[in-house]
Amino acid sequence: EDQVTQSPEALRLQEGESSSLNCSYTVSGLRGLFWYRQDPGKGPEFLFTLYSAGEEKEKERLKATLTKKESFLHITAPKPEDSATYLCAVQAGTYKYIFGTGTRLKVLA
Amino acid sequence: NAGVTQTPKFQVLKTGQSMTLQCAQDMNHNSMYWYRQDPGMGLRLIYYSASEGTTDKGEVPNGYNVSRLNKREFSLRLESAAPSQTSVYFCASSGAGPVGYGYTFGSGTRLTVV
Repeated sequence: EDQVTQSPEALRLQEGESSSLNCSYTVSGLRGLFWYRQDPGKGPEFLFTLYSAGEEKEKERLKATLTKKESFLHITAPKPEDSATYLCAVQAGTYKYIFGTGTRLKVLA
Repeated sequence: NAGVTQTPKFQVLKTGQSMTLQCAQDMNHNSMYWYRQDPGMGLRLIYYSASEGTTDKGEVPNGYNVSRLNKREFSLRLESAAPSQTSVYFCASSGAGPVGYGYTFGSGTRLTVV
């Protein structure tokens, strides 16, 4: 069964304290892995797409990496404005996306 | 600003009432989607429209209908609302097929059915 699991469910960091979020997946025929950011009361905002193991993408303080079983979202020297829920999704078919339940990140000043 | 616009933002319905959620995008995207988001669960696909003139069921279509009115607009209808349909509903769109293209999401409709 296709499945996406994100960990931890919630994470509190001090400003400047780097960490990583995990997205583990089992899917037959991965077509892409996506990371989104979701602020309270808003829709998810697209961050990255990763296609193959070994691929990396960066945007400001965020860096996403992909292996054959999981993806990591590394946050370097986070700021309070990085506080949000981060969602991972895998594409398992042409129009079949499986979303994880997200990691709620809180960065304290 | 370019993007996906959803209306209304909030709605309270009584069990058995009907309503239509509206969605419009101005990015000339071919594909549009309706998702629901519930606590402790990932976003789940209700219906999608791969292109103008086509619609297909997603993971949780029961109790819903959709209409792709034109390339810009994709509406979701609840014919007889039930408490189990209390959720936050998101409309999304993507470019030429979803492969590799991230979705652009609207800001959501928070629906409560009492």
